[in-house]
Amino acid sequence: EPEVTQTPSHQVTQMGQEVILRCVPISNHLYFYWYRQILGQKVEFLVSFYNNEISEKSEIFDDQFSVERPDGSNFTLKIRSTKLEDSAMYFCASSGDRGRYQPQHFGDGTRLSIL
Amino acid sequence: AQSVTQLDSHVSVSEGTPVLLRCNYSSSYSPSLFWYVQHPNKGLQLLLKYTSAATLVKGINGFEAEFKKSETSFHLTKPSAHMSDAAEYFCVVSDGSTGFQKLVFGTGTRLLVSP
Repeated sequence: EPEVTQTPSHQVTQMGQEVILRCVPISNHLYFYWYRQILGQKVEFLVSFYNNEISEKSEIFDDQFSVERPDGSNFTLKIRSTKLEDSAMYFCASSGDRGRYQPQHFGDGTRLSIL
Repeated sequence: AQSVTQLDSHVSVSEGTPVLLRCNYSSSYSPSLFWYVQHPNKGLQLLLKYTSAATLVKGINGFEAEFKKSETSFHLTKPSAHMSDAAEYFCVVSDGSTGFQKLVFGTGTRLLVSP
């Protein structure tokens, strides 16, 4: 069964450094998402992406965050200048359609630790 | 806005006994509901989805959920727990108010299965 893959599985970064989290969505999917889960808290929506542009973003997704689909397979989340509070598990997801009954398929996540 | 409430943060059962994980939803229209499972150090796996075609939804690994509009509930059940069912379970509603879907997660229920 096709799956979403994320790299790296664990990233440790100094505060203030830039970090790029990478995702390879399922190949025929067109809609892409990032979510995050701070330890002990809910999974939260960050951003959705379609047709090479952001379709929706949450309040969390401020100017420090950006997303990109640099080629036909990768989907990246960049945090420009990391803060301690960015420490979380980041999940990438994709779906084949934006219909309300269409499930999103998730990767295993990247655990980001900011020191 | 759409939301879900998971009524129990932890549920403990013995192997072979029934499982009940409770979820209530709040939605201004007919909701799209999902249950996802997260095993330790793994991503979010779709268990089942409610698409309004049937109120009783069967998922993977013997799980099922019943949509009850009168009670605004979507509880997850399994007749007989297995040790491998120990994981975190998330009730999720899809919010498509902007035309693009984002998932809104509950706080999760950790299922503990004892021998």
